[in-house]
Amino acid sequence: GAVVSQHPSWVICKSGTSVKIECRSLDFQATTMFWYRQFPKQSLMLMATSNEGSKATYEQGVEKDKFLINHASLTLSTLTVTSAHPEDSSFYICSAKSGMVTGELFFGEGSRLTVL
Amino acid sequence: DAKTTQPPSMDCAEGRAANLPCNHSTISGNEYVYWYRQIHSQGPQYIIHGLKNNETNEMASLIITEDRKSSTLILPHATLRDTAVYYCIVSYQLIWGAGTKLIIKP
Repeated sequence: GAVVSQHPSWVICKSGTSVKIECRSLDFQATTMFWYRQFPKQSLMLMATSNEGSKATYEQGVEKDKFLINHASLTLSTLTVTSAHPEDSSFYICSAKSGMVTGELFFGEGSRLTVL
Repeated sequence: DAKTTQPPSMDCAEGRAANLPCNHSTISGNEYVYWYRQIHSQGPQYIIHGLKNNETNEMASLIITEDRKSSTLILPHATLRDTAVYYCIVSYQLIWGAGTKLIIKP
């Protein structure tokens, strides 16, 4: 089946620095990608929807200037956590779907961010 | 957009069928039901999805009631590796509930 790859799988950074997480669809063109955040023992929370070539749509309560999303190509979306703080430590997951409306959603392996 | 409710946890004996229920009483006519599972610290894994008809694949079966207000995911012969949190969601709104923590016991 289709594969979505995230990189890095884990990252530790100092408070105040920025971290970029990449999400790639390896064998299909992803017109739409989604970014989620998951805190321990909680469910996934949708952060934003990213469409290729246009600005991302952020969910209520998610700061677009803090979580920069770029979807420059049909196979790559990036999430940049700017000026990270310890409370941004979380498991970040991306997913992607092709143009098929009824198609399944493919998830990346997730990226665990720890901000010291 | 439809929301789903699932029992928080379930146990199942290894080798038995695991039946996981999901209520989605506010589902609209064109919304699909999707099932995913998540093993600790990994990304969600797609299991199956359906609209009206029952579906079966190599992983599981999905039974959707005629009124589409509920569904059941069936793992026919559960193994220890099926221990995970199972999520039932509808359409692409992707409001994820808490899911069902399924524990397979030897």
